[in-house]
Amino acid sequence: DAGVIQSPRHEVTEMGQEVTLRCKPISGHDYLFWYRQTMMRGLELLIYFNNNVPIDDSGMPEDRFSAKMPNASFSTLKIQPSEPRDSAVYFCASSYAGEANYGYTFGSGTRLTVV
Amino acid sequence: AQKVTQAQTEISVVEKEDVTLDCVYETRDTTYYLFWYKQPPSGELVFLIRRNSFDEQNEISGRYSWNFQKSTSSFNFTITASQVVDSAVYFCALSGSSNTGKLIFGQGTTLQVKP
Repeated sequence: DAGVIQSPRHEVTEMGQEVTLRCKPISGHDYLFWYRQTMMRGLELLIYFNNNVPIDDSGMPEDRFSAKMPNASFSTLKIQPSEPRDSAVYFCASSYAGEANYGYTFGSGTRLTVV
Repeated sequence: AQKVTQAQTEISVVEKEDVTLDCVYETRDTTYYLFWYKQPPSGELVFLIRRNSFDEQNEISGRYSWNFQKSTSSFNFTITASQVVDSAVYFCALSGSSNTGKLIFGQGTTLQVKP
């Protein structure tokens, strides 16, 4: 298995632009999580899905952030419009139902820089 | 509320020294899960161990060992005979029974192992 695949690995964009981060979970996993890592706030959960349905989006910072999971093999995290304070590493992770507490697999992350 | 505290921000040791990373957690759940993840300089998050709240047995895996004590709400991680390749940020995390896999991370401890 190729693991959780995130793209792009690095993204540099100008303030005000739309940014879309992509994630392909491990095949067969039905939980998908989006985390953000910053120096100030550490690792924080933004949103997670179960069977493609958003379960908890209380960590999404504001309306500029949105996430979708149109099918079991693909999810996106969109920021529109982007701001410099959105600069962070965004991680996607997936796990299998019933084993969600077994520790899930993280992707390599997308390093976003908004200038 | 659930919380994970890693009081040690940075630790520096010389190769071959033993080092212990502390983790203290707070939760009202009777069933919960504790984790350790490693984040090397390359940035990915690597799963190291999971422990459930009913299993207080200590675990050893090669040079790594974990000490789980419910009485003090601690889940400490010891690296024996540290090596330069152990240099990384180490995160302790908690998942409660009601959170369906949602992980609450500590702030991380940066370990530097000098040759």
